[in-house]
Amino acid sequence: DTGVSQNPRHKITKRGQNVTFRCDPISEHNRLYWYRQTLGQGPEFLTYFQNEAQLEKSRLLSDRFSAERPKGSFSTLEIQRTEQGDSAMYLCASSLGQGHTYEQYFGPGTRLTVT
Amino acid sequence: AQSVTQPDIHITVSEGASLELRCNYSYGATPYLFWYVQSPGQGLQLLLKYFSGDTLVQGIKGFEAEFKRSQSSFNLRKPSVHWSDAAEYFCAVGSIKAAGNKLTFGGGTRVLVKP
Repeated sequence: DTGVSQNPRHKITKRGQNVTFRCDPISEHNRLYWYRQTLGQGPEFLTYFQNEAQLEKSRLLSDRFSAERPKGSFSTLEIQRTEQGDSAMYLCASSLGQGHTYEQYFGPGTRLTVT
Repeated sequence: AQSVTQPDIHITVSEGASLELRCNYSYGATPYLFWYVQSPGQGLQLLLKYFSGDTLVQGIKGFEAEFKRSQSSFNLRKPSVHWSDAAEYFCAVGSIKAAGNKLTFGGGTRVLVKP
C-alpha cells in the first residue's frame, strides 16, 4: 500500500494558462475527494467521486474547474485560464465506500502558484 | 450547514508539557469527528476519529480526544509534548447522512514547541 499520490507536487504557471493535476488513490478505495487549501486556512471540499461518477461539486468549483475519474481509478483536476486567486494547495483524498468507517486518507498535495 | 471552529490560531508549549487543542462543531445530526495533523508542506495525517461509543478516543502518537455532545466539542489532548509534535492541527466534521461524507475543516491550530 503506497498511499495516495499526487503529481506534480509543485506547479508554477502564468495567469491565463491551463493546468492539470493527477491523483492516484489507494488501490481498493472507491471514493475520491478533491479539496483546496489556501494559506492559513483549513482544506475546503471541492468535489468527490464514487467510482467514476462525480456525485457532488462545491460552489467553489467554478466553470473553469473540471475533474474526471475516467476508469474509477486515478483522477485529474484541470483548471482553465488560471487566476491568481487559484493559488493554493490542492489535496486529494480517498476512502472506502459504504459499510466502512469513511476515513479519508490524504495525499501530499499539489501546490499551485499562479504568477 | 456544518461548521467547525478552532478558537486558537497559535499555541506555544514547552517540550514535555501537556497540550490541549480546542474544537467546537455545529451539525444538526450525529457527527463523525476527526483530528488531522499537517507538517509543513505535507498532506494531512489522521490522528484519531470518533463515530460512536466511548466518548474518549485514543489515537496515534499518544494523542486522545474527548467528544462532549452537550458542549459540541471534540478537544484534542496530549499529556507530554515532543518537539516532533510541532505542526498544524485540524479538526473536521463529517456525516454519513451527507452524501459522500465530505469533511468540513476548522481553520487549524499551529503548535509551536519550545525546547
